[in-house]
Amino acid sequence: GQNIDQPTEMTATEGAIVQINCTYQTSGFNGLFWYQQHAGEAPTFLSYNVLDGLEEKGRFSSFLSRSKGYSYLLLKELQMKDSASYLCAVRDDSGGYQKVTFGTGTKLQVIP
Amino acid sequence: GAVVSQHPSRVICKSGTSVKIECRSLDFQATTMFWYRQFPKKSLMLMATSNEGSKATYEQGVEKDKFLINHASLTLSTLTVTSAHPEDSSFYICSANTGGAKFFGPGTRLTVL
Repeated sequence: GQNIDQPTEMTATEGAIVQINCTYQTSGFNGLFWYQQHAGEAPTFLSYNVLDGLEEKGRFSSFLSRSKGYSYLLLKELQMKDSASYLCAVRDDSGGYQKVTFGTGTKLQVIP
Repeated sequence: GAVVSQHPSRVICKSGTSVKIECRSLDFQATTMFWYRQFPKKSLMLMATSNEGSKATYEQGVEKDKFLINHASLTLSTLTVTSAHPEDSSFYICSANTGGAKFFGPGTRLTVL
């Protein structure tokens, strides 16, 4: 099975930087996704990390450490529209087919 | 990015009726599609993996006779909620993978009265 842990809620100020952590335990790890989900909408893809290290994509960066079972999503220059839930999801191929399991999500509130 | 569509986006039905939800990959072929269910303020729960040309793989606790999945072509998977009840009311989302990323459809909000 899989165990994915991320904080339930976070609050940050407009223009600031926020880091959302995700820890996981899985047997057949083959990548970690980050998604953004606004209320009432489907998730939108942000990043996919397979190898250790930091991947930067504009204001968003994602980091992965496979040995530590740890990832974080870094959001810079926060904007009000960044208020959303951020879902960490782990891909596991151990069952003979690709399976992605989602964490419970971190609800980020950006305040002025 | 790749586009996945779902239809309908919103449906209200009476208890006991069946509802079909379509998931299409618009600009790529998907041999595998995934169906998720999301309860209010909860994360996504994988219901089943839809495989083109073969039977779907259901997650533990998901009734295959209640949630019928048909993956008829490389661009279309359907989820039919049979004999729907109010407890089936939820947000149903499909996804498909391409280019190493997973893309979601916009979701279908089902309300069973």
